[in-house]
Amino acid sequence: EAGVAQSPRYKIIEKRQSVAFWCNPISGHATLYWYQQILGQGPKLLIQFQNNGVVDDSQLPKDRFSAERLKGVDSTLKIQPAKLEDSAVYLCASSSYYNSPLHFGNGTRLTVT
Amino acid sequence: AQTVTQSQPEMSVQEAETVTLSCTYDTSESNYYLFWYKQPPSRQMILVIRQEAYKQQNATENRFSVNFQKAAKSFSLKISDSQLGDTAMYFCAFMKHWRGVQGAQKLVFGQGTRLTINP
Repeated sequence: EAGVAQSPRYKIIEKRQSVAFWCNPISGHATLYWYQQILGQGPKLLIQFQNNGVVDDSQLPKDRFSAERLKGVDSTLKIQPAKLEDSAVYLCASSSYYNSPLHFGNGTRLTVT
Repeated sequence: AQTVTQSQPEMSVQEAETVTLSCTYDTSESNYYLFWYKQPPSRQMILVIRQEAYKQQNATENRFSVNFQKAAKSFSLKISDSQLGDTAMYFCAFMKHWRGVQGAQKLVFGQGTRLTINP
């Protein structure tokens, strides 16, 4: 089975610019997650979708971050405007049903200068 | 809220040796899942092993095994006959059991242990 696809692989932007990341989960996986991983730390959940509905966005900085999952398949995470502290790896993951392991993509490394 | 703690930021061993990575967690849940994920330089998180809290038997996957101590809330990973390809960041993670109630079921990670296998 094809894995979780993410793009772009790398992105460098200046502060106050906007950026978007794309994720295509494993086919049939209903749950999709976006994690932020700052260098030297473990991943932190930003938002979780069940099909096309949000079930947890408690740690998403909603003044600058937004995410959507149209049609319950692929998803886009946007940052506008970016800050220096947003420099991190953004990981997308999916799972097929509750109580099952998460499958991760290769992530997008964002550098904000 | 659940927390996961990995107290060893870095470890280094020689190839073919056995190494144990430590993890402790805090939760009030009685049923949950624990995982070890490996993250090589490619950045992809790869599932190494999974343990269900209601199972007393420790999980094993080839050279990887865990020591799950539920009362102590401890979940260590043992890598036997270590190989150069085991070099990576290792993350311990917790997920509570879904009981059929609408809501989030997320993976909570520790800070990670950087493991280096030397030739």
